[in-house]
Amino acid sequence: DAGVTQSPTHLIKTRGQQVTLRCSPKSGHDTVSWYQQALGQGPQFIFQYYEEEERQRGNFPDRFSGHQFPNYSSELNVNALLLGDSALYLCASRLMSVGTDTQYFGPGTRLTVL
Amino acid sequence: AQKVTQAQTEISVVEKEDVTLDCVYETRDTTYYLFWYKQPPSGELVFLIRRNSFDEQNEISGRYSWNFQKSTSSFNFTITASQVVDSAVYFCALSEAVRSGYSTLTFGKGTMLLVSP
Repeated sequence: DAGVTQSPTHLIKTRGQQVTLRCSPKSGHDTVSWYQQALGQGPQFIFQYYEEEERQRGNFPDRFSGHQFPNYSSELNVNALLLGDSALYLCASRLMSVGTDTQYFGPGTRLTVL
Repeated sequence: AQKVTQAQTEISVVEKEDVTLDCVYETRDTTYYLFWYKQPPSGELVFLIRRNSFDEQNEISGRYSWNFQKSTSSFNFTITASQVVDSAVYFCALSEAVRSGYSTLTFGKGTMLLVSP
């Protein structure tokens, strides 16, 4: 039973560049959420995708966008990178069904913006 | 708005000691879930337990136990006879809007547990 996978593991970018992070959900899951975790902080919710649409969004600017594909995998795109975007980006998946609320996380992508 | 507070930033214990990690939450919902996750140095968040707001029964799983008290809005986590492998950051999290299905997690800032031999 494959868990949540993310790629790449690490990424180094410079200010102003754009980045795309990828996530494949746990087998059987149809909902993907993205979280940003700054150093020493708890994860912060970015957005959630279900049926290829953004369903919920946290307090993040429009520079953060995403996509979900028919196979439930997802991408997180960040444009015009800022130094403050340096963080661990975590993808979580779950099954969209009330009562099955547990989200399972991937290993994360560590983004460094120079 | 929902909020999770983990007042303990870092706890250091010696192996075999018992340790309790505190979690206090705020929510307006009557239906919600509470979670504990473990984050080892590798970075991946590992799910430990989920509790729904209607089930205040305490739970024990091996060396782990959880105490959910709605009256004090607390969901504390105890590790009995701690081991070096328990060293990690532990996060408490709250999930609201459960009825809609579009629930999201609000995390505390985490408690770093250091268990020395």
